[in-house]
Amino acid sequence: DAKTTQPTSMDCAEGRAANLPCNHSTISGNEYVYWYRQIHSQGPQYIIHGLKNNETNEMASLIITEDRKSSTLILPHATLRDTAVYYCIVRVPGSNDYKLSFGAGTTVTVRA
Amino acid sequence: GAGVSQSPRYKVAKRGQDVALRCDPISGHVSLFWYQQALGQGPEFLTYFQNEAQLDKSGLPSDRFFAERPEGSVSTLKIQRTQQEDSAVYLCASSSGGGAGEQFFGPGTRLTVL
Repeated sequence: DAKTTQPTSMDCAEGRAANLPCNHSTISGNEYVYWYRQIHSQGPQYIIHGLKNNETNEMASLIITEDRKSSTLILPHATLRDTAVYYCIVRVPGSNDYKLSFGAGTTVTVRA
Repeated sequence: GAGVSQSPRYKVAKRGQDVALRCDPISGHVSLFWYQQALGQGPEFLTYFQNEAQLDKSGLPSDRFFAERPEGSVSTLKIQRTQQEDSAVYLCASSSGGGAGEQFFGPGTRLTVL
C-alpha cells in the first residue's frame, strides 16, 4: 500500500465545515483513497472512497487533487458526534488488497 | 439489521492465562478479519478467513495466537499464556463476497493482561 500522511490532530467548531487533509504522494494509478473513522469505544466505520473524481455521500465529501497526491475529507456541518479518529487509507478494491493499513489517523475534536 | 458483535466487550486476564474472544459476523458474510489495536494506535491486521478457510495469518504476532472459524460463521481468537504486551483492543470485521469488499467492524474486545 502507498503510505499516507495525516495531521495528528485538529479541532473544529460545531456547525462549521471540517476539512481533513491526507497526503498520499506515492499512490499508484489503480489505488483508491478510502476514509474510515473510529468513534471512541467503537470499531472503525467506513465513510467514503474515490479514485480521482470528487465524491459525496450522506456523511461527507471527498476532494482528490488532479495529480492524486493528496485529498481532503470534508464534513460539511460538523457535530459533536463527529468527534473521532479519522483514517485515510489507499488500497485497490476488488483485489487481494484486503488488509486495511490504518496508520495513526487524525484525532478530530468538534467543540461546541 | 444486526451488525458484527463481539464478546466479551472487556476481559481482564492474569499473565499466563489463556483467553478466547468471540466474533459473530454479519449473517451471510463470507469474509472475516481480526485486527489488534494498541492504545493510541490504529488497528493492525492479524488474520483473514474466507468461509472456514484461514487464508492469511501473517499478522498473528506469535504462535500463542490462534484463530478459527470452523463452520464459516462465528470465529474465535484464542491467546495462550497471555503476556502484558497482548493488552489491546481486538477488533473483528466482516465483509460480503471477497476480502476486498467494505469491512464492517464490531465494537471490539478490550483485553487487559495484569
